[in-house]
Amino acid sequence: GESVGLHLPTLSVQEGDNSIINCAYSNSASDYFIWYKQESGKGPQFIIDIRSNMDKRQGQRVTVLLNKTVKHLSLQIAATQPGDSAVYFCAEIPSGGYNKLIFGAGTRLAVHP
Amino acid sequence: GAVVSQHPSRVICKSGTSVKIECRSLDFQATTMFWYRQFPKQSLMLMATSNEGSKATYEQGVEKDKFLINHASLTLSTLTVTSAHPEDSSFYICSATGGATNEKLFFGSGTQLSVL
Repeated sequence: GESVGLHLPTLSVQEGDNSIINCAYSNSASDYFIWYKQESGKGPQFIIDIRSNMDKRQGQRVTVLLNKTVKHLSLQIAATQPGDSAVYFCAEIPSGGYNKLIFGAGTRLAVHP
Repeated sequence: GAVVSQHPSRVICKSGTSVKIECRSLDFQATTMFWYRQFPKQSLMLMATSNEGSKATYEQGVEKDKFLINHASLTLSTLTVTSAHPEDSSFYICSATGGATNEKLFFGSGTQLSVL
């Protein structure tokens, strides 16, 4: 079936460096994408979203890039901090999916001092 | 931002008993709530979609008689795991959407269920 997947299960970075987390999706009909951060034992926390009519969106220290040609999403975190350590999920809502999120496999980001 | 409260955060029960998990939207009316299950080091898997005042829609492979969902009001949905077994041990998470925040999903803090 349709799925959203991630290339890297674990990403280790040094504090202060920039982090890039990647995600591939297979449902070309999806028109809304979201990145979530999940800390251990907690529910997902919304980070940033992007619609399919955009290719880039910036937030505070985070940027999401969408490449519809190759069905690829990325989350860029600038000046990564220890508090950014968590598992990051991309999620998609297919067109007409009525908020029915399809989550990717997740990438664990480990920030080292 | 909108707040979704989930209770309890952790529950341990004996095999064969039933466990009820509550999901409340605190500052908005949730027309739709979703229930997810997450096993360790895995992603969230949607179990069912719950619309206020109607029967829940279950995903393929999820037993509706095992996981009873009730969405009796615009601020409360409950998930009851009936006759729980050790294989039901998991992290259960709800999310809610509705009103002015449509398409923005807000998640509860999750419930860790351990069945002995």
